Amino acid sequence: DAKTTQPNSMESNEEEPVHLPCNHSTISGTDYIHWYRQLPSQGPEYVIHGLTSNVNNRMASLAIAEDRKSSTLILHRATLRDAAVYYCILRDRFSNTDKLIFGTGTRLQVFP
Amino acid sequence: DTAVSQTPKYLVTQMGNDKSIKCEQNLGHDTMYWYKQDSKKFLKIMFSYNNKELIINETVPNRFSPKSPDKAHLNLHINSLELGDSAVYFCASSRLGQGYGYTFGSGTRLTVV
Repeated sequence: DAKTTQPNSMESNEEEPVHLPCNHSTISGTDYIHWYRQLPSQGPEYVIHGLTSNVNNRMASLAIAEDRKSSTLILHRATLRDAAVYYCILRDRFSNTDKLIFGTGTRLQVFP
Repeated sequence: DTAVSQTPKYLVTQMGNDKSIKCEQNLGHDTMYWYKQDSKKFLKIMFSYNNKELIINETVPNRFSPKSPDKAHLNLHINSLELGDSAVYFCASSRLGQGYGYTFGSGTRLTVV
């Protein structure tokens, strides 16, 4: 499985935009880019995913580099509730044994 | 109306005991999973079932046995519990296919004393 690299931690102030980077230089053409987050004492939560084009949903935006070797999860206005560990995960579109493999993620702290 | 529900939420038991954790999903998904999160917060997949059939079995001791009576349920039975089994266990479900997200339960914190 292709690997991702994320910073261990990031900080933000409330109501500011947050850009969470992810490097995946060995991404294959069939890999989706998925983002999950885990709030304290909760299970992981799906955030967003994409293949080639940028994606938006009610939670966040996903910006994918043209060469697909990196991506950025964008929280447009951070709130205290966004404090969590954010995971960037690659999933092979054609794998017969689909599974999410979690790395160590980025711990986001949000200050009032 | 919880989408993926696990019971119990907390489980404290002695070494050597046998225990079960239950999971149910009401999302109509065809694939269910068990993950283990250890004390260092590392999340690792254990098992995956698709329509009651085992499709992923990671390197997990034989003491762990998943059972899926139907595609809405995936239970985890653990025999002869050891101290190292203490962790948070998460159940998840999804539609099969990499374009779909997983929905996780809120976890079962197992403490073996």
